[in-house]
Amino acid sequence: DVKVTQSSRYLVKRTGEKVFLECVQDMDHENMFWYRQDPGLGLRLIYFSYDVKMKEKGDIPEGYSVSREKKERFSLILESASTNQTSMYLCASRTGTGPYEQYFGPGTRLTVT
Amino acid sequence: DQQVKQNSPSLSVQEGRISILNCDYTNSMFDYFLWYKKYPAEGPTFLISISSIKDKNEDGRFTVFLNKSAKHLSLHIVPSQPGDSAVYFCAASAWNDYKLSFGAGTTVTVRA
Repeated sequence: DVKVTQSSRYLVKRTGEKVFLECVQDMDHENMFWYRQDPGLGLRLIYFSYDVKMKEKGDIPEGYSVSREKKERFSLILESASTNQTSMYLCASRTGTGPYEQYFGPGTRLTVT
Repeated sequence: DQQVKQNSPSLSVQEGRISILNCDYTNSMFDYFLWYKKYPAEGPTFLISISSIKDKNEDGRFTVFLNKSAKHLSLHIVPSQPGDSAVYFCAASAWNDYKLSFGAGTTVTVRA
C-alpha cells in the first residue's frame, strides 16, 4: 500500500513566520504534489515536482516555494505566512508513468493568526 | 478558471437509495477522469476512474458514466450506505499530463 505522510496534522503559526510543511512517500514515486483545499474551491495545485530537484508552478504558487532534494521527500515553504494562507494542505504522489491516480497524505490544517 | 465543475455542493439521500453525483468539464483534452472520496480531517482516497475510450466503469456499488459529447460524467452509488457520507471530488487529466484538475466537491449525506 502506498503511504504518504505529512509532518503535522495541525499547525498554528503567526503572521510573518516562515513555515515548513514536510511530506514523505514510501513508494518510490517520481511525481509529488502540494494542494490546498478550501471550502467551495476544491483542491488547487500549488506546486508539483516530476523528479528530484525538478519543480513546476501550479495554479496558485504565489507566497509559496518548494524543495525536493530526495525522491521521497517534498517540502512546501511559506516564506512569510499570511492569514489568507490558513487552509488544509494536502500532499500527493504518483508514479511517473501508468495510472493517473494520485495518493494523498492525511493533510495539515494550518491556521495563521 | 475552473475546468472541472461540480455544480451541486451537497446531496442528501436516504440509506439504501441511489446517490447520483454530477461533474462537467470544459477542456476537450481531458481523457481520464477520477472520483475521490474525502472524510473530514483525512486526505482524499481514490474511488474509481474511467478512460475516455469507455462510457461506463463499474466497481461494486460504484459506477461512473462518461458522456464525452456532453463533457459530462456522473457517479452512481447503489445502494447508499451511512459510510458513504463524505465529500466527493471529480478530477480530470489530459493524456500524459502530470496534473489533475479537481472540481469543488459535493458533500453527500446518507440519512438512516
